[in-house]
Amino acid sequence: TQLLEQSPQFLSIQEGENLTVYCNSSSVFSSLQWYRQEPGEGPVLLVTVVTGGEVKKLKRLTFQFGDARKDSSLHITAAQPGDTGLYLCAGSSTGTASKLTFGTGTRLQVML
Amino acid sequence: DTGVSQDPRHKITKRGQNVTFRCDPISEHNRLYWYRQTLGQGPEFLTYFQNEAQLEKSRLLSDRFSAERPKGSFSTLEIQRTEQGDSAMYLCASSQDHYTEAFFGQGTRLTVV
Repeated sequence: TQLLEQSPQFLSIQEGENLTVYCNSSSVFSSLQWYRQEPGEGPVLLVTVVTGGEVKKLKRLTFQFGDARKDSSLHITAAQPGDTGLYLCAGSSTGTASKLTFGTGTRLQVML
Repeated sequence: DTGVSQDPRHKITKRGQNVTFRCDPISEHNRLYWYRQTLGQGPEFLTYFQNEAQLEKSRLLSDRFSAERPKGSFSTLEIQRTEQGDSAMYLCASSQDHYTEAFFGQGTRLTVV
């Protein structure tokens, strides 16, 4: 069974701080995706990484896929209250969008 | 709005009742997925369809659960004889094919009382 563990589980920071969220597994994934989820809503796709060592930037968010395609990180620079939400990593073993294995989630709260 | 649409958004039902949820995927998306998310957890895969064919079912999908996608467009998820443990957010997602990302609907929140 493939498992994705995220750390930390909860993070409460002040506006302007930087943070990193980690997503780790003992399994290799063909691709990994990061989603953000607001309370009562479905997950919204942020990025997909497919190549080991790949780095993608989305404004203040930087995503990295580990060389061995077993882990990933999400770094947010100068966090803003609008970044508040549940961040989920999700891995796929075959193709990009086949059955996804989701991580345990990191709940981020950014305070003024 | 051309995103994935789920109906209803919220459902409260008494234990033992049957419920049915509907998912309308993004137009021309061949793959449709159902996930379940309990409070404080990430979504868990339930089942998926390629057009009208149900290709995989998780062991989480007990005999009380059945999903259909009769014409390869919208899908329904039925839960018979609901139990309190069925309380969760039921999420539907669709993708164009095997290689493109899945987009999620807003989910149906089920509460069994």
